[in-house]
Amino acid sequence: DTGVSQNPRHKITKRGQNVTFRCDPISEHNRLYWYRQTLGQGPEFLTYFQNEAQLEKSRLLSDRFSAERPKGSFSTLEIQRTEQGDSAMYLCASSSPGLAGGLTGELFFGEGSRLTVL
Amino acid sequence: DAKTTQPNSMESNEEEPVHLPCNHSTISGTDYIHWYRQLPSQGPEYVIHGLTSNVNNRMASLAIAEDRKSSTLILHRATLRDAAVYYCILSQEGAGSYQLTFGKGTKLSVIP
Repeated sequence: DTGVSQNPRHKITKRGQNVTFRCDPISEHNRLYWYRQTLGQGPEFLTYFQNEAQLEKSRLLSDRFSAERPKGSFSTLEIQRTEQGDSAMYLCASSSPGLAGGLTGELFFGEGSRLTVL
Repeated sequence: DAKTTQPNSMESNEEEPVHLPCNHSTISGTDYIHWYRQLPSQGPEYVIHGLTSNVNNRMASLAIAEDRKSSTLILHRATLRDAAVYYCILSQEGAGSYQLTFGKGTKLSVIP
């Protein structure tokens, strides 16, 4: 399978614990995105990497959230001191640059990592 | 950010064409129109995108109004596998932002 891979697919944790999600993008894609989706809502943008550089962060990404892409390949999203409001599906996507170098390239999403905070 | 408006839900009979509308009256000249869909328990899937001209691909067609204030995603022959939430999204080239702003989309039900 050469698509975007996310692990773990499901995570149940107690409030206050730390969790980490991993995303392996499509190998030739230099762009990587994290989104969050709660029930009944569309995905919300969290952050964007171009190679190893984190170029854009949403205000949703509080100081308890940190994302890394150390070698420009896989990425991790860590949530510290989880809260019940963090319960959501965390989606990763990757892409190559669009024809105009902007966002017109197709984003390929993984199946997501579902977090439940008790 | 330019916003889009879509109906909450639509129904279609299997094997019939489906026209999914999207209004984007505040679209700017450099905004691209993207469509993604999300099947149950899966991540979003790219469908099609365009700027000014109508676009066709193996999945669907995108018809863009001449004034660009609205667009329509056309599925030529709905199948049960097309039952999904369809999102119409605008993105601005060269604005320095790489985020796609998803709304709630249109939930399409396909009736056998």
